[in-house]
Amino acid sequence: AQKITQTQPGMFVQEKEAVTLDCTYDTSDPSYGLFWYKQPSSGEMIFLIYQGSYDQQNATEGRYSLNFQKARKSANLVISASQLGDSAMYFCAMREPGNQFYFGTGTSLTVIP
Amino acid sequence: SQTIHQWPATLVQPVGSPLSLECTVEGTSNPNLYWYRQAAGRGLQLLFYSIGIDQISSEVPQNLSASRPQDRQFILSSKKLLLSDSGFYLCACGGLPLNEQFFGPGTRLTVL
Repeated sequence: AQKITQTQPGMFVQEKEAVTLDCTYDTSDPSYGLFWYKQPSSGEMIFLIYQGSYDQQNATEGRYSLNFQKARKSANLVISASQLGDSAMYFCAMREPGNQFYFGTGTSLTVIP
Repeated sequence: SQTIHQWPATLVQPVGSPLSLECTVEGTSNPNLYWYRQAAGRGLQLLFYSIGIDQISSEVPQNLSASRPQDRQFILSSKKLLLSDSGFYLCACGGLPLNEQFFGPGTRLTVL
């Protein structure tokens, strides 16, 4: 079974609107971490936001927030007030104990002016 | 904060030739280090990770190998490249305390 599933290969959003990128995960371990990364066309991977499995509140970092629904095993990324520079690939990832990381296949986001 | 260097940035190699990609890390000591491969239009596949010198774990059976001769040096190698080895190779370092992955700039490998 896939550890991380991103079902949206591509998404479009109007500039200044909010967009949600979906991510579901699969683990039987109670302790894990969830991450989102941005990959612009240049190829660099940029860490955006983190959510720990024991965190009570949803993580927020500026315009990024993580909608963490533990029972559903989902960790959706919400980008508010989209900007043209947000156009990129976005990857959801999970860290299990033992420091192994699993990445999803990514979602390509295009911000339309 | 740590800085991750990778070289070369791009590489074109014939099938059957050897490979050596190097990753070095500055600004931290005894880091967890990782090699990932990203095929065109796909996600990241973890190839190897290392928690210390000469301590390497392989995630996927393949014709690649990794070595960590020094604390902040991680090398990805192959004796004979295959066409399927083409891709974007990323080295990453685990940050503290989350072990979030900090990535290097990557090496784009094309095997012809």
